[in-house]
Amino acid sequence: DGGITQSPKYLFRKEGQNVTLSCEQNLNHDAMYWYRQDPGQGLRLIYYSQIVNDFQKGDIAEGYSVSREKKESFPLTVTSAQKNPTAFYLCASSILPGQRPYEQYFGPGTRLTVT
Amino acid sequence: AQSVSQHNHHVILSEAASLELGCNYSYGGTVNLFWYVQYPGQHLQLLLKYFSGDPLVKGIKGFEAEFIKSKFSFNLRKPSVQWSDTAEYFCAVNLYGGSQGNLIFGKGTKLSVKP
Repeated sequence: DGGITQSPKYLFRKEGQNVTLSCEQNLNHDAMYWYRQDPGQGLRLIYYSQIVNDFQKGDIAEGYSVSREKKESFPLTVTSAQKNPTAFYLCASSILPGQRPYEQYFGPGTRLTVT
Repeated sequence: AQSVSQHNHHVILSEAASLELGCNYSYGGTVNLFWYVQYPGQHLQLLLKYFSGDPLVKGIKGFEAEFIKSKFSFNLRKPSVQWSDTAEYFCAVNLYGGSQGNLIFGKGTKLSVKP
């Protein structure tokens, strides 16, 4: 079954702790993305990557970090510097921008709660 | 900054009513346009997309959308909604002809269909 997996589905952490969210895809996509979804806010881009060992900041990268050591994997670390980390995090992947048919495929998401 | 506006936060309809959800974007160049849907407890999935050609695009489950370039709009329509259409709908725009791949999302419209 081709798709994107995110784990865990629910994650609870204490304030001040870093936490890493997993994202794996077996769609052979070059590009991967992390979004944050808050109620009434839509999806906002945190980071994206179009090639292994390279990634770019999105609109709300502060307090987050990523790595792209393998094509299939794009983990997101929510650091203690992120002021409001409680949110629903979505990972997506796609073929390279500019190619057709372009669309982003989304994982099931991880709901992070920090107390 | 570029943005996507979805005019309705929450729409409530009875079954068999017609649906139109508004979407406007603020970019004068080439765009690719998407509507995504998030059913309760499910992945975000693509409803339909526009890249070029016929401005009236048809998607899954009887949805369609019309791109009106002069109005910077990409409204989603369905002639007769069903209870199973209850979901959150997101409009998204890909700027610069898709060269960067980033999607800018609207804040979403929740649709509740009463049986």
